[in-house]
Amino acid sequence: DVKVTQSSRYLVKRTGEKVFLECVQDMDHENMFWYRQDPGLGLRLIYFSYDVKMKEKGDIPEGYSVSREKKERFSLILESASTNQTSMYLCASSLRTLAADTLSYEQYFGPGTRLTVT
Amino acid sequence: QKEVEQNSGPLSVPEGAIASLNCTYSDRVSQSFFWYRQYSGKSPELIMSIYSNGDKEDGRFTAQLNKASQYVSLLIRDSQPSDSATYLCAVNTGFQKLVFGTGTRLLVSP
Repeated sequence: DVKVTQSSRYLVKRTGEKVFLECVQDMDHENMFWYRQDPGLGLRLIYFSYDVKMKEKGDIPEGYSVSREKKERFSLILESASTNQTSMYLCASSLRTLAADTLSYEQYFGPGTRLTVT
Repeated sequence: QKEVEQNSGPLSVPEGAIASLNCTYSDRVSQSFFWYRQYSGKSPELIMSIYSNGDKEDGRFTAQLNKASQYVSLLIRDSQPSDSATYLCAVNTGFQKLVFGTGTRLLVSP
């Protein structure tokens, strides 16, 4: 079974704090992702990484940075937390496979971190 | 235009009925398609993947794909109250990223 874990289920931080969210996967997946999910807005991609030390911006990278020093670990950093970053943060990983002659990137999610910034 | 569209619902069905969830996508080069189930307060869980036109069955779940119409659906037979959740459709266009719909909330009443 694919196992994606996140460092915290619930986190409360104050405005201006630097916040680290960690994600670890144990399936040797190449790709890792950070999303945030808000009611009515669905899943929005913040950043993703397709290899160690490689990163790509997603749809909403502003106010966030990421780090991938090891293949199994992908960290999301909120440089200076703000109240509008209160959200559910979801990490996912994926592996490129060939299915029915099609390249497939099934993503598997961690349990999520509900972050509240006060 | 949203890339992946789903009716937000809620879709209400009685226990034992067939629930039909629909999804349309805009990118014609989309290659693989996924359905995720998300219970309230939990993370999305992959329940079905489909790559070729036609039907794919797995237990009570059937995914249907029509690439010409750019349409994906998920049928849940013999719906149970435990199926009550939000169902997310996701589409992959050949790169590593998935594009997600905003989900359809399904309510199965006993």
